[in-house]
Amino acid sequence: QVQLVQSGPEVKKPGASVKVSCKAPGYAFPSYGLHWVRQAPGQGLEWVGWISAVQDNTNYAQKFQGRVTMTTDTYTTTAHMELRSLTSDDTALYFCATGSTDWYSADYWGQGTLVTVSS
Amino acid sequence: QSALTQPPSASGSPGQSVTISCTGSSSDVGGYNYVSWYQQHPGKAPRLIIYEVDKRPSGVPDRFSGSKSGNTASLTVSGLQAGDEAEYYCSSHAGSSNFVVFGGGTKLAVL
Repeated sequence: QVQLVQSGPEVKKPGASVKVSCKAPGYAFPSYGLHWVRQAPGQGLEWVGWISAVQDNTNYAQKFQGRVTMTTDTYTTTAHMELRSLTSDDTALYFCATGSTDWYSADYWGQGTLVTVSS
Repeated sequence: QSALTQPPSASGSPGQSVTISCTGSSSDVGGYNYVSWYQQHPGKAPRLIIYEVDKRPSGVPDRFSGSKSGNTASLTVSGLQAGDEAEYYCSSHAGSSNFVVFGGGTKLAVL
C-alpha cells in the first residue's frame, strides 16, 4: 500500500511562491503518475495538475497554467508542486494523490499541506 | 463553478438507498469511461469508492455502485448506514486539455 507523506504547513504573503513536496517513502515513483488536488476552506475539491512517472510529462488545469510547476525526483521518489504569484484565493489544503488503477483516479492520498496566503 | 454538476445535498434514512447524480458533457463524462467517485469525511482526505464508472477498489463495500448514461454519471449507496454520512465528489477525465475535472460535491445526510 502506497503511503504519501507531504511537507508541513506554509504561510506566505501575497505575490510570493510556495513549494509543496510529496514523498512516497520506500516505493518506486507511482506508475500512474501523481495528481495535485486542492481544497479551499469549506469548499470542494479542485484538480490542479498531474505529473507522470517518466520524462516529467505534465498536465495542468487551465486555471493554473503559467503559475504552477510540477516536478519529480525519481531517486528520492519525491514530487514537488510550486505555485507562484499567490493570492488569498490560493489559501487551501493541497493534496498529492496517486492511483493504482488508471491515470485519472486516485486511491492513495497524502495527508494534505495547508497553504495560507495572508498579508 | 465546477465543471461537473452535482446536487448540493442528498439524504436518506438508514437502510434506504440514495442516488447522487453528476452531470457533465460529451467532453468529459459522456466522452470517457473514466468517472470516479470519492467519499470525504470532515477533516479527512478523500477516499476513492468508484473508478472507471462502475468499478470498486478493494475494500469498498458493494453497497456502493456506479453507473453512467450519456453525460450523467450516478452513484448509488444502498443500505444506508450512519457512517455513509459524508461529502461525495465525482470526477471525470476530460481530454488532454483538462485531464481531470471534479464536481462541486454532494453532502449526504443519513437521517
